[in-house]
Amino acid sequence: EIVLTQSPGTLSLSPGERATLSCRASQSVSSNHLAWYQQKPGQAPRLLIYGASTRATGIPDRFSGSGSGADFTLTISRLEPEDFAVYYCQHYDSSPPWMFGQGTRVEIK
Amino acid sequence: QVQLQESGPRLVKPSETLSLTCTVSGGSISSYYWTWIRQPPGKGLEWIGYIYYSGSINYNPSLKSRVTISVDTSKNQFSLKLTSVTAADTAVYYCARAWYSSNWNYYYGMDVWGQGTTVTVSS
Repeated sequence: EIVLTQSPGTLSLSPGERATLSCRASQSVSSNHLAWYQQKPGQAPRLLIYGASTRATGIPDRFSGSGSGADFTLTISRLEPEDFAVYYCQHYDSSPPWMFGQGTRVEIK
Repeated sequence: QVQLQESGPRLVKPSETLSLTCTVSGGSISSYYWTWIRQPPGKGLEWIGYIYYSGSINYNPSLKSRVTISVDTSKNQFSLKLTSVTAADTAVYYCARAWYSSNWNYYYGMDVWGQGTTVTVSS
């Protein structure tokens, strides 16, 4: 099974700053199979990015995804107040399970 | 606009069976991978399994011996059963819609989620 490791665990930043979140897979995976989600307290996760770099419907362009092989990155170019949340990467696999990373919390500094 | 809604008992006794239903409204249950995910208090997300509308199923190996996911296309619903529950199964349970194209080998993510339902295992 593929394990996803996200870093850092917590990112303390100010509004307007750039956030860079990492997701590293235990082995090379297809970028076609990598997604990112945002979760705010008390809410269900929301799909941000699929195919490693394609924004989901309605997602602002300050969110971008990149990467290939085993290393993927979610970048928030300029943090808005509503962006402070927990972010998860997730991998689709034809052989279960579909794994989530452990999450990165983006908090206000 | 497709919406998902989880329903079922919020309190389950240890060793009993947790049963949840997800109702799909605003769209058909045909196509897509209908998925269950859970989140223990203060922890991350755990994928439980999916059912494809045609009946193809996959479960998380860590839960496979206790999990059953089924679909009722006539009611536009899919369901989760988890047997022999313990306190470790206490979590928010989410249903979600996912899509994977085998033609393109492309995963489009879980784009629609239910609001989640908190299930507590306690006597």
